[in-house]
Amino acid sequence: SQTIHQWPATLVQPVGSPLSLECTVEGTSNPNLYWYRQAAGRGLQLLFYSVGIGQISSEVPQNLSASRPQDRQFILSSKKLLLSDSGFYLCAWSQTDLRDGYTFGSGTRLTVV
Amino acid sequence: AQTVTQSQPEMSVQEAETVTLSCTYDTSESDYYLFWYKQPPSRQMILVIRQEAYKQQNATENRFSVNFQKAAKSFSLKISDSQLGDAAMYFCACSGTYKYIFGTGTRLKVLA
Repeated sequence: SQTIHQWPATLVQPVGSPLSLECTVEGTSNPNLYWYRQAAGRGLQLLFYSVGIGQISSEVPQNLSASRPQDRQFILSSKKLLLSDSGFYLCAWSQTDLRDGYTFGSGTRLTVV
Repeated sequence: AQTVTQSQPEMSVQEAETVTLSCTYDTSESDYYLFWYKQPPSRQMILVIRQEAYKQQNATENRFSVNFQKAAKSFSLKISDSQLGDAAMYFCACSGTYKYIFGTGTRLKVLA
């Protein structure tokens, strides 16, 4: 069966520090991969998605970047965090044809102080 | 552009009663998928129910069912015999190109 792992669960980082959030998927190959951000009590904002190794599509211009160095690994990064980067970050994967929807990771709560 | 609209930011239901959450969408695709996701206070996103657009029969999963009206582009979720554990944020989603489009969510409160 397929599983998705996202870590860390909680992170507190100072302004100006770097960020690296990692997401890995097991039990499938060539998945679509996604990074979402969610403000408290709000909806889901798609940040990046990837349909293959090295292929990254950015939805919102911002202080963040994403990379897919391996087929089942998706990394969200920042060189210098801003206070506005605080939020709940969710990684998700889907099959290429989207027929089974997304499976989400358990999320990372990021607080920039 | 594809859009998904959830017009009810918040709903309340008495325990054991039935509640319907509304969702409308707009897509130019002829074949697509629709989902409802639940996000409890833990914030884990949980798939509730799935509907394939080419199937006319409404999907059901235990106490959860949908009313899929393709011509009206409507996809509402009905929760029967509501339980305290149903209290959560509910998101409607429609498949697009390479990704899903989500609505803004409906917060469901279940009153004891």
